[in-house]
Amino acid sequence: EVQLVQSGAEVKKPGESLKISCKGSGYSFTTYWIGWVRQMPGKGLEWMGIIYIGDSETRYSPSFQGQVTISADKSISTAYLQWSSLKASDTAMYYCARGSPMYWYNYMDVWGKGTTVTVSS
Amino acid sequence: QSALTQPPSASGSPGQSVTISCTGTSSDVGGDNYVSWYQQHPGKAPKLIIYDVNKRPSGVPDRFSGSKSGNTASLTVSGLQAEDEADYHCCSYAGSTNLVFGGGTKVTVL
Repeated sequence: EVQLVQSGAEVKKPGESLKISCKGSGYSFTTYWIGWVRQMPGKGLEWMGIIYIGDSETRYSPSFQGQVTISADKSISTAYLQWSSLKASDTAMYYCARGSPMYWYNYMDVWGKGTTVTVSS
Repeated sequence: QSALTQPPSASGSPGQSVTISCTGTSSDVGGDNYVSWYQQHPGKAPKLIIYDVNKRPSGVPDRFSGSKSGNTASLTVSGLQAEDEADYHCCSYAGSTNLVFGGGTKVTVL
């Protein structure tokens, strides 16, 4: 079964750092893109960025460039999303999703269940 | 890049059809045929139901169809069923290094 398994919920304080993960299985992880999508409480989806696992080529949404870092460790089929200094406004659900093998912008066909991040003092 | 514009809500009775619009610009929706649609039930992850404007992934019922005219894409759900009650999000390639989503539309089955 093709699946993406995300790390568990996180509760952090403003200013703390955080790295959440997304582990793929059931397919050739290194030949696909993995994207990250934010959903703030009660709001729509926002595309954050995407990484090609094979060579770690990365694209960021202008809205998130410099705010987060997307990385991957292909040896353990895992992609990451990290923050160096969290803000309360980072409180949201974060989804990872598998991108098309052809073009990163085609579609996202397999989604993780999401990681809830709560930032509060 | 501004989000694509979707109506906040739409509704229909079982068996009827509902169409959701997704309006962008010539830089996103109107620029290429890379529009996708995602269905999201409450508390669940999104699910891909349409890609490349009008293609359905394997397993998605043919009650779901997509189209595009100019800068506006549309999703039609025909023969509405109770399980179609969900949020629907459109998404488009916006050039360079960007994908952009719409604000989402809540579909209610009356």
